[in-house]
Amino acid sequence: RKEVEQDPGPFNVPEGATVAFNCTYSNSASQSFFWYRQDCRKEPKLLMSVYSSGNEDGRFTAQLNRASQYISLLIRDSKLSDSATYLCVAAGNMLTFGGGTRLMVKP
Amino acid sequence: DGGITQSPKYLFRKEGQNVTLSCEQNLNHDAMYWYRQDPGQGLRLIYYSQIVNDFQKGDIAEGYSVSREKKESFPLTVTSAQKNPTAFYLCASSPNPQQGGGSYNEQFFGPGTRLTVL
Repeated sequence: RKEVEQDPGPFNVPEGATVAFNCTYSNSASQSFFWYRQDCRKEPKLLMSVYSSGNEDGRFTAQLNRASQYISLLIRDSKLSDSATYLCVAAGNMLTFGGGTRLMVKP
Repeated sequence: DGGITQSPKYLFRKEGQNVTLSCEQNLNHDAMYWYRQDPGQGLRLIYYSQIVNDFQKGDIAEGYSVSREKKESFPLTVTSAQKNPTAFYLCASSPNPQQGGGSYNEQFFGPGTRLTVL
């Protein structure tokens, strides 16, 4: 079992839709969590940090459920520019990256 | 502007050759990391360094070597012992590996080097 698991997708959604990604982690000692966005052939860029139960930043909401060991990312009112791969990251002794979930927002 | 730079952006290597990938940061970060990403895959940790003159193996260190002689620089050498070196290599840095309360600082990435073995 991978330490951090994500549905690879792709998730194909129309503009304006709300989409949610889930990510599960196996290391119960993980303290911090992050969502990174990665565009095709580019480096990952930090989208959100999650240190407690959740975090919200504009159209993006991240939630953490420690009991069930999963983190979610909700994107409201999807834009074409949201099309990218979203990487879930759990921090224990080191950062452990999931394989990413690909989102494609269509006009 | 502060940031992380990697060079070259694209690199082609013949089998049996060693190559060195550059990573420089001017963010005054203590910790630096090297990852490898294969198509459709997550990032896998190769080596990391939490302080100058010290570095540790990550999950896939075989066939790679690093040095950390300066805080700003963390070059990665891909040796001929690495059997499948074609990949996207990403360097990252963070202020320090662990902040108070056990929470990790996020990592910031350079633009990457795409290595292809011919």
